[in-house]
Amino acid sequence: DVKVTQSSRYLVKRTGEKVFLECVQDMDHENMFWYRQDPGLGLRLIYFSYDVKMKEKGDIPEGYSVSREKKERFSLILESASTNQTSMYLCASSLWGFGEQFFGPGTRLTVL
Amino acid sequence: SQQGEEDPQALSIQEGENATMNCSYKTSINNLQWYRQNSGRGLVHLILIRSNEREKHSGRLRVTLDTSKKSSSLLITASRAADTASYFCATDDYGNNRLAFGKGNQVVVIP
Repeated sequence: DVKVTQSSRYLVKRTGEKVFLECVQDMDHENMFWYRQDPGLGLRLIYFSYDVKMKEKGDIPEGYSVSREKKERFSLILESASTNQTSMYLCASSLWGFGEQFFGPGTRLTVL
Repeated sequence: SQQGEEDPQALSIQEGENATMNCSYKTSINNLQWYRQNSGRGLVHLILIRSNEREKHSGRLRVTLDTSKKSSSLLITASRAADTASYFCATDDYGNNRLAFGKGNQVVVIP
């Protein structure tokens, strides 16, 4: 069974902390994505990666960075967490860029 | 930028009824996909329809695509309480090199 896992389901951090959200897929997919989801705003793409060590900005990259050192792992980094980054974060992977995306269960991050 | 836009935004129906939701998009596409999201979870892929297809079925789901009107519809027949979820359409946004998701359509099926 194909799987995308995220390191935490719930996370509470303080303003100014550096936050790491980890995503791992076991499908040997080339493409990985990070989204945030907020009520009324739908899914917004933060960053995506079409290859190891490659990254591309999505619609809302400000305040975030990513790392992809291995094909199966895509990390989202909040350099200095702020309260407006409180959100649901979803990771996804796909075999090809515009194909079916497989999503992880999400991480609900609260920044106090 | 978001391409897909679902309509209506929220739908409440009785169990056993059919649920229909629509998605419109702005630019030409090769594929359109529908996803489901149960409360607080990740999205799950339901169906992909190609631009040269007009209709596709998967179990109780029927998807239609009208490229001339740049719209798609998702029909869930004989709805069940377990169909309560948000439904998203997604189109290939070649201009921005990614899938573009709509804002989602919440469906509540009342037992």
